Amino acid sequence: GAVVSQHPSWVICKSGTSVKIECRSLDFQATTMFWYRQFPKQSLMLMATSNEGSKATYEQGVEKDKFLINHASLTLSTLTVTSAHPEDSSFYICSARDRLGGAHEKLFFGSGTQLSVL
Amino acid sequence: DAKTTQPPSMDCAEGRAANLPCNHSTISGNEYVYWYRQIHSQGPQYIIHGLKNNETNEMASLIITEDRKSSTLILPHATLRDTAVYYCIVSYGTGNQFYFGTGTSLTVIP
Repeated sequence: GAVVSQHPSWVICKSGTSVKIECRSLDFQATTMFWYRQFPKQSLMLMATSNEGSKATYEQGVEKDKFLINHASLTLSTLTVTSAHPEDSSFYICSARDRLGGAHEKLFFGSGTQLSVL
Repeated sequence: DAKTTQPPSMDCAEGRAANLPCNHSTISGNEYVYWYRQIHSQGPQYIIHGLKNNETNEMASLIITEDRKSSTLILPHATLRDTAVYYCIVSYGTGNQFYFGTGTSLTVIP
């Protein structure tokens, strides 16, 4: 089946530094990818919709200058957490939809990235 | 915001069928229902999805009511490995976004 690869699986960084998370669709092309964050014992919260070749669309309350999203190709989207602080510590998950599957195609999820900011 | 509501938790005996309900009373005519599950510290795993007809695959069955305001996911013979949080999702928006609700934590008991 289709695979979404997310890297790194976990990262520890110092407060004030930036962290980049990669999301790749390995065997399909995705014009749209989605980024989520999840705090312990909570559900997934949609942060933004990443569109290939154009600006990402952010959900209300998500700071676009804080969470930079780039979707430069049909198989890669990146999320950069800028000037990370301890409150940004969370589990970040990406997902992608096969562009050949149509608008209602299911999403494939990555395995997530655990970010810990010291 | 999520368009679905689910019970927070359920138990099921190993080997028995697990029936997980979901309410989506505000679903629109062209919005699909998707089911995913998440095991701790992993990404959600796709289970099944449908529009209005009942669906079955190797993992589960999806029963959608005729008015489409609710659905039930059926795991026919639950195993211990089915213990997870199950999410029922109705996608909507210009990008058919998935907004997750709180899900149902299913515990399969030996």
